[in-house]
Amino acid sequence: AQSVAQPEDQVNVAEGNPLTVKCTYSVSGNPYLFWYVQYPNRGLQFLLKYITGDNLVKGSYGFEAEFNKSQTSFHLKKPSALVSDSALYFCAVSSRSMTTDSWGKLQFGAGTQVVVTP
Amino acid sequence: DTAVSQTPKYLVTQMGNDKSIKCEQNLGHDTMYWYKQDSKKFLKIMFSYNNKELIINETVPNRFSPKSPDKAHLNLHINSLELGDSAVYFCASNSGGELYNEQFFGPGTRLTVL
Repeated sequence: AQSVAQPEDQVNVAEGNPLTVKCTYSVSGNPYLFWYVQYPNRGLQFLLKYITGDNLVKGSYGFEAEFNKSQTSFHLKKPSALVSDSALYFCAVSSRSMTTDSWGKLQFGAGTQVVVTP
Repeated sequence: DTAVSQTPKYLVTQMGNDKSIKCEQNLGHDTMYWYKQDSKKFLKIMFSYNNKELIINETVPNRFSPKSPDKAHLNLHINSLELGDSAVYFCASNSGGELYNEQFFGPGTRLTVL
């Protein structure tokens, strides 16, 4: 069975410090991995994705994530956090093994609340 | 020029009523989705349509009926509303419904059943 785990309910970081949000996954086939961000009372916004190729992917707002196949992880990182990065972050995975066809069914993690203090 | 829009933004209603939520996207996508986000912020897919055809139907009560009049619209009708239906409902879309294409989300509809 496929699953996504975000082990931290909340991450607290001071502005200017590095930010890491952890994500691990479990799928049978090759994973397609995504990070989304949700600001209060808003819909989810796409940040970045890993499909294939370079393990380090760069996305919006200075975020990046590293795909680690051996550790089945896809941690989100930002070198220097801003107060405006405070939001709820979701990791999501899809895989052809999750469905009998190619339709884009995403499995979301439980979300990690990021709080950046001035 | 909103990409994915939903109406209404807030919906407060009594148990047993029937209500609808509308979704429209102007991105030219051919696949649309409905998600439910519960009070703990957990997101779960409910339905997906590709070119007006139902392609994903998760274990959702029959009281929920999606309707797609064209590929730019996916509406959600809910009959006999129950307290447990209270949640935020998100519409999303992407191109081709492909596993590797990111989805674009609407702003959400907060449904409160009293």
